[in-house]
Amino acid sequence: SQQGEEDPQALSIQEGENATMNCSYKTSINNLQWYRQNSGRGLVHLILIRSNEREKHSGRLRVTLDTSKKSSSLLITASRAADTASYFCATARKGSGYSTLTFGKGTMLLVSP
Amino acid sequence: EAGVVQSPRYKIIEKKQPVAFWCNPISGHNTLYWYRQNLGQGPELLIRYENEEAVDDSQLPKDRFSAERLKGVDSTLKIQPAELGDSAVYLCASSLWGEQLGALNTEAFFGQGTRLTVV
Repeated sequence: SQQGEEDPQALSIQEGENATMNCSYKTSINNLQWYRQNSGRGLVHLILIRSNEREKHSGRLRVTLDTSKKSSSLLITASRAADTASYFCATARKGSGYSTLTFGKGTMLLVSP
Repeated sequence: EAGVVQSPRYKIIEKKQPVAFWCNPISGHNTLYWYRQNLGQGPELLIRYENEEAVDDSQLPKDRFSAERLKGVDSTLKIQPAELGDSAVYLCASSLWGEQLGALNTEAFFGQGTRLTVV
């Protein structure tokens, strides 16, 4: 079973534009993470936000978390063609010892030059 | 530092045949995961190990799938017999986690995966 649901399923933008992806989840979590997957490098961890945090930044990435709405968003600013990939949110749920990661179905991002 | 190593990268087998995948996690990581990823979907957990103990295998189809993690390091995942519906990418990941270790992050490091095609 999959915990998270990303929205939209696919997103197409031009280089330089911002990309926003959303994730909703169902159960209480310890933390939420975002991963990127492209054919060249497999799944790569991008950023982790804990349940007691509301916003986090890493380079061109900005993640927000709203535990009352059980949702998170990932913003990629000034996108580049190299950002083309699938993006997944993953949650570490309470009650699973925190260390089981459950992934959503992903958002496929296409950044055109 | 070497990442998570999986082999083989690709495997094509006929249905009803057995197949095995191997994973070498990052040195020192106590937690090892096997995920299955179907085309266009996110990874789905099959089994999670903490050291040599399987602590979450509720999604593992135990009639045909088996896994082991000897000495709490390398791991193998086996399917016997394989079915057409088993065609997918099998991903191994590892992390260092444990409240007693002071490691509360569950960031996982993934291998490149094994793409299985059952014909």
